[in-house]
Amino acid sequence: DGGITQSPKYLFRKEGQNVTLSCEQNLNHDAMYWYRQDPGQGLRLIYYSQIVNDFQKGDIAEGYSVSREKKESFPLTVTSAQKNPTAFYLCASTLTAGENEQYFGPGTRLTVT
Amino acid sequence: AQSVTQLDSHVSVSEGTPVLLRCNYSSSYSPSLFWYVQHPNKGLQLLLKYTSAATLVKGINGFEAEFKKSETSFHLTKPSAHMSDAAEYFCVVSPFFTGTASKLTFGTGTRLQVTL
Repeated sequence: DGGITQSPKYLFRKEGQNVTLSCEQNLNHDAMYWYRQDPGQGLRLIYYSQIVNDFQKGDIAEGYSVSREKKESFPLTVTSAQKNPTAFYLCASTLTAGENEQYFGPGTRLTVT
Repeated sequence: AQSVTQLDSHVSVSEGTPVLLRCNYSSSYSPSLFWYVQHPNKGLQLLLKYTSAATLVKGINGFEAEFKKSETSFHLTKPSAHMSDAAEYFCVVSPFFTGTASKLTFGTGTRLQVTL
């Protein structure tokens, strides 16, 4: 079955620690995206990558970093510089960078205390 | 520039009655419009999309939406609600011609509650 996997589903960290969220896809999609979702708000774009070894900042990139060394993988690191990291994080992909129909993973809920 | 407004943050219906979730959009260009559904602690699933073909779009699970340019609306409807429809619904707007899907704008969501 093709799709996007995100692990772990729930993640707990202490304040001041960096944490990396995994996103893997076997859809052979070129482009991948990371969103943050907070209660009562729509999804906000953190970073996106149109092709391997390339990525751009989205609307709320501060305190986050990404890498795209392989086509199928797009990990997101939440650094200690992110002031309010507790949220639900969603990874998505599109067949090409020009497509606007996104496929979503199941999400990771990060809680930082 | 583009924006999307979901007019109701919460809608409650009885099982078997019609569902109406309202979405208005603003766009400087011809838009693509989407409805996604999200069940608790899950990812988003595409219900349907409008991309300038037929204005009445049919999606999965009996949902449909009508693109009304004059009213800048893209309301989601279903004739008869089922308990399994209880979820959060997101309206999304994007330019029809886009170099990147980073141009998607998400509404703030409508939580649909279905009661017996």
